[in-house]
Amino acid sequence: NAGVTQTPKFQVLKTGQSMTLQCAQDMNHEYMSWYRQDPGMGLRLIHYSVGAGITDQGEVPNGYNVSRSTTEDFPLRLLSAAPSQTSVYFCASSVGGRETQYFGPGTRLLVL
Amino acid sequence: SQQGEEDPQALSIQEGENATMNCSYKTSINNLQWYRQNSGRGLVHLILIRSNEREKHSGRLRVTLDTSKKSSSLLITASRAADTASYFCAAPGNQFYFGTGTSLTVIP
Repeated sequence: NAGVTQTPKFQVLKTGQSMTLQCAQDMNHEYMSWYRQDPGMGLRLIHYSVGAGITDQGEVPNGYNVSRSTTEDFPLRLLSAAPSQTSVYFCASSVGGRETQYFGPGTRLLVL
Repeated sequence: SQQGEEDPQALSIQEGENATMNCSYKTSINNLQWYRQNSGRGLVHLILIRSNEREKHSGRLRVTLDTSKKSSSLLITASRAADTASYFCAAPGNQFYFGTGTSLTVIP
């Protein structure tokens, strides 16, 4: 099993551009989530999903959209990138919302 | 509403010493989890302790849970340079939150 995969590994955007961060898992996990990690801030939850067709907001959802059309995929869309969205983004999945989370390797995003 | 805050923020020890990190949380929990993050990598799950357990071991790791104090501790015994990493706790509630972590440096 590949586990949780994320693409791209690194991306540079200009302010105002849009992009999609991809996340996929092959463990048939129902729960998936997106976090951003900034220096000294720990991980902050952006959006999460408890199953296909169901998504909800975390603590820092503004500027991001998600959808969950399949169990395997949970893409994160930046609608209009801002420098404040420069961060490392991690996707995670688990059997349930309170169980062990499995993390992807992360996407480093730089917004100029 | 952080659920899971680690203490201390940073810890530096000599190889072979024990390292202890603490975690506090706010509301009732089903379980508490500890994760490790090596620099530039994703988090890796270390251990999960259920609310009805008081202590759990995994190799050189020992986790305790005190639900009356809403706190947990992670002990790494006989530390190695390879244990250098950031350690996070998470006490999942309606959502899954992590704290800011403890940065552990083990000096060879």
